[in-house]
Amino acid sequence: DSGVTQTPKHLITATGQRVTLRCSPRSGDLSVYWYQQSLDQGLQFLIQYYNGEERAKGNILERFSAQQFPDLHSELNLSSLELGDSALYFCASSVAEGGLPDTQYFGPGTRLTVL
Amino acid sequence: AQSVTQLDSQVPVFEEAPVELRCNYSSSVSVYLFWYVQYPNQGLQLLLKYLSGSTLVKGINGFEAEFNKSQTSFHLRKPSVHISDTAEYFCAVSEGSYGGSQGNLIFGKGTKLSVKP
Repeated sequence: DSGVTQTPKHLITATGQRVTLRCSPRSGDLSVYWYQQSLDQGLQFLIQYYNGEERAKGNILERFSAQQFPDLHSELNLSSLELGDSALYFCASSVAEGGLPDTQYFGPGTRLTVL
Repeated sequence: AQSVTQLDSQVPVFEEAPVELRCNYSSSVSVYLFWYVQYPNQGLQLLLKYLSGSTLVKGINGFEAEFNKSQTSFHLRKPSVHISDTAEYFCAVSEGSYGGSQGNLIFGKGTKLSVKP
């Protein structure tokens, strides 16, 4: 158990809908990262937050957005869902702002299925 | 831009045999390399990481990896595998730097290790 929790574990929804994925980092970790794992794209970095502020952006679609709240939990919002958004979404957390030698600890993931 | 190539998508091996999972990277800046393991229906767990110093890095569960700058490789090895090592293994490079504000990982496509009795 990494100490990172993600809810829900599974999510099934329809095209065009909007969903919210939630992540609680390990106690004391200030950075949260979101990754998407799909069969065709593999594991891709989406976005990073540190202590409530956006720090880095990867291949995140404009239909997707995220935020980190004062209690440090984070939410990833996916809207106007398409079939291709079906994937496993991971949250990871680390202690520091992101510089090395920080280690990222991954949650169990949320499996999103868009029908 | 940094990238990671895992040369084998699947590696079948018999129990107690040695295994090597290959990883090559491309980077124009300082390199920080990682191996993660993903067991079925679970998240990723860090096996080991190379940040600096000795090029031979020892990790958990008896795994080790060697950083080879001239060959831009970071291959993962285990001298004797167990059934429980069956999992998917990901090599990754960090875009972060010491004291920097960004640390996202760039992952390879993964190698599925299948250990047979």
